[in-house]
Amino acid sequence: DVKVTQSSRYLVKRTGEKVFLECVQDMDHENMFWYRQDPGLGLRLIYFSYDVKMKEKGDIPEGYSVSREKKERFSLILESASTSQTSMYLCASSTLRLRQGIMYEQYFGPGTRLTVT
Amino acid sequence: GDSVTQMEGPVTLSEEAFLTINCTYTATGYPSLFWYVQYPGEGLQLLLKATKADDKGSNKGFEATYRKETTSFHLEKGSVQVSDSAVYFCALTTPRAGNNRKLIWGLGTSLAVNP
Repeated sequence: DVKVTQSSRYLVKRTGEKVFLECVQDMDHENMFWYRQDPGLGLRLIYFSYDVKMKEKGDIPEGYSVSREKKERFSLILESASTSQTSMYLCASSTLRLRQGIMYEQYFGPGTRLTVT
Repeated sequence: GDSVTQMEGPVTLSEEAFLTINCTYTATGYPSLFWYVQYPGEGLQLLLKATKADDKGSNKGFEATYRKETTSFHLEKGSVQVSDSAVYFCALTTPRAGNNRKLIWGLGTSLAVNP
């Protein structure tokens, strides 16, 4: 069964702390994504990675960085957490069928609800 | 640029009512279209998809037909249950180089089904 896991379901951090959110997938997927989800704003892409050590900025990368040292693991880093980063963070992965150039569905983890006080 | 517009919620229905959640899109080329569902306290999961015009995706009693002439992918279910209460997201991807890894998302439509 397809599995994307996130390190924490709930996290409370203080302003200025460095925060690590970890995501692991067991499907050997090439692509991994980090989103944040806020009421009324839907899902917004923060960063994605299409290979080990490769990353691309999404729509809202400011204040975040990412790391992908192994294919199965994709980490989101908040260098200095702020209250504006209080949100639900969702990790996803997908495979890419290169011959057809079509990306198949994304598989999501359960999410991490981060509160920054 | 590519975009997805879906009807605003919340949508509140009684059990066994008919459901339609509208989704329209703007995209160059021939996108693939998806509906995802997010149950309370969970991540998103794929509900159904369609990859070419006139395809009908279906799952768990839900259906959506890829209509290229109206650029729409409306979600329907003939008889909703309380367990269908969730947030529903419409999304698309296009196979353009550099963009074919990302999904373009609608803002989501919250559905509440009362017994």
